[in-house]
Amino acid sequence: GENVEQHPSTLSVQEGDSAVIKCTYSDSASNYFPWYKQELGKGPQLIIDIRSNVGEKKDQRIAVTLNKTAKHFSLHITETQPEDSAVYFCAASEEDMRFGAGTRLTVKP
Amino acid sequence: KAGVTQTPRYLIKTRGQQVTLSCSPISGHRSVSWYQQTPGQGLQFLFEYFSETQRNKGNFPGRFSGRQFSNSRSEMNVSTLELGDSALYLCASSLSWTGNNSPLHFGNGTRLTVT
Repeated sequence: GENVEQHPSTLSVQEGDSAVIKCTYSDSASNYFPWYKQELGKGPQLIIDIRSNVGEKKDQRIAVTLNKTAKHFSLHITETQPEDSAVYFCAASEEDMRFGAGTRLTVKP
Repeated sequence: KAGVTQTPRYLIKTRGQQVTLSCSPISGHRSVSWYQQTPGQGLQFLFEYFSETQRNKGNFPGRFSGRQFSNSRSEMNVSTLELGDSALYLCASSLSWTGNNSPLHFGNGTRLTVT
């Protein structure tokens, strides 16, 4: 089955800086790559996703890039704010959806 | 539109007992997936149901089972509980099965503690 690796496991940035989280996947048949944000006491919430026929997608301060040849994709958050502090998960989907181990992002005011 | 509802929110059970968790998907969603979340293992896929049929299963022992009803509501059952089953169990629904690039919408989970 699919194996998704996510780095770093923790990330601390100053408010206003950018944050980048990277994921690699193993199954070349995977064709859908969502990112989720999980706040304390809540389930993961979809924040952005990308399909395999697209190399980059942007939504306000967040963007995702996909390199299908290298089998890696990244989440970029610009102008970070304290409310961006949470655990972020990447995922890759072919027959079912498999998740990375998560990145705990802390944005210091 | 109401989100995914999981009940109960918290559960404490003793080793050897069995437990049933419930999930009501978003209205119109036909697929329900279950995940186990632990600090050490992250989000581990348990199984997915679509139109009352199990489509896919993760690498969990047979003690973990589930089902889906005609109204798309789903239940998962864990028999002969072990201490290692303590985790947050997350249910997610989607319009179509996940192989169709359908986003998952998660509930807030059921926190199971086995003593």
